[in-house]
Amino acid sequence: GDSVTQMEGPVTLSEEAFLTINCTYTATGYPSLFWYVQYPGEGLQLLLKATKADDKGSNKGFEATYRKETTSFHLEKGSVQVSDSAVYFCALTDSGAGSYQLTFGKGTKLSVIP
Amino acid sequence: NAGVTQTPKFQVLKTGQSMTLQCAQDMNHNSMYWYRQDPGMGLRLIYYSASEGTTDKGEVPNGYNVSRLNKREFSLRLESAAPSQTSVYFCASSADRGRETQYFGPGTRLLVL
Repeated sequence: GDSVTQMEGPVTLSEEAFLTINCTYTATGYPSLFWYVQYPGEGLQLLLKATKADDKGSNKGFEATYRKETTSFHLEKGSVQVSDSAVYFCALTDSGAGSYQLTFGKGTKLSVIP
Repeated sequence: NAGVTQTPKFQVLKTGQSMTLQCAQDMNHNSMYWYRQDPGMGLRLIYYSASEGTTDKGEVPNGYNVSRLNKREFSLRLESAAPSQTSVYFCASSADRGRETQYFGPGTRLLVL
């Protein structure tokens, strides 16, 4: 079945540091890939997405590129802020497998310190 | 435009009690979902409704039932709560199934004693 593996946290960075959170996936069909963010005490919000190979999703300074050859969708940001402290989830939907649910990774908790 | 709303926000149950979690969306979405979130497990799909009048099991359906009351509302029922159902429950909706973005509610925190 489909699966998402993302780097386990927690990750602690200083403000203005470079962020990478690794995400790799296994899918039967041709998935769409997502990064969701969960701020403390809140639900999940879509951060960015990509629906085909080599697409780059971007939002709020975050970027991720859909790499079919390495089955990866790593999240990056050049300079993190304290307000970026949250839990980040990589996820996919795989309509080619006949399933339309989101399959999530386990989440990576990011803490940014001043 | 409230998006996806969930009630209650927090609930404490005793083992064996029943309850219904309510979810509503005002985005005219066709598809709705129920997930549970447990520490270190990410989110796991309990049930989903691809369109009004249909429901299907997800990854962890045991101990739950759902009702797609109309296009806006999708409820999750625990008939006989167990401590293993202590979790945070999220409802989500999307315009359609497949590649569409899912929009999440704020969650219901459930504690079963």
